[in-house]
Amino acid sequence: QVQLQQSGPGLVKPSQTLSLTCAISGDTVSTNGGAWNWIRQSPSRGLEWLGRTYYRSQWYNDYAISVKGRITINPDTSKNQFSLQLNSLTPEDTGVYYCARAISYSPPYFDPWGPGTLVTVSS
Amino acid sequence: QSVLTQPPSVSGAPGQRVTISCTGSSSNIGAGYDVHWYQQLPGTAPKLLIYGNTNRPSGVPDRFSGSNSGTSASLAITGLQAEDEADYYCQSYDGSLSDYVFGTGTKVTVL
Repeated sequence: QVQLQQSGPGLVKPSQTLSLTCAISGDTVSTNGGAWNWIRQSPSRGLEWLGRTYYRSQWYNDYAISVKGRITINPDTSKNQFSLQLNSLTPEDTGVYYCARAISYSPPYFDPWGPGTLVTVSS
Repeated sequence: QSVLTQPPSVSGAPGQRVTISCTGSSSNIGAGYDVHWYQQLPGTAPKLLIYGNTNRPSGVPDRFSGSNSGTSASLAITGLQAEDEADYYCQSYDGSLSDYVFGTGTKVTVL
């Protein structure tokens, strides 16, 4: 059974960088069959897919247009986890951030999800 | 910002049947991309409920069923139970945006 555990700060100042980590158990970050994603949820924007990292003989990343240029998702094979960095934060980035595994399908679906981290962008 | 539109709320008495629509366009559901559904209980993360329009993961009761037609998809809950009170979201892919997209969400209330 795959489980995801998130860690990272809940309060970040405007213009700073958000860093979150998602630790994986029951699967490996370098699996050839899935992808590792970050998704956020806020009252104003609803559920919003942010990006993913996945391994298919080499590492790939895809990012949502809405955050491209500000986001980096990196795998860490030594710790079997992956991370999110989102910079130049504004109050609009406030929300609950989830990590999730994507299962290969057309389109992929997300299962399971991490418990979520409430991130508040405020000075 | 969601490109998939759902009714904000639906309600029903225990034992009744309710349906939730997910309306998209020719660049997502209408383009042939499958729809997945998630259930979000209060204070928890979304949980996969239906994948590939109609398929239930193991452990999901057969009271939940999905369908898909044209530019829309639907989730039906038959034999509504108190534990079904939650928010429900559809998800697909939009070829114009090149993004995975979610519905606006529907709150189900059991009367």
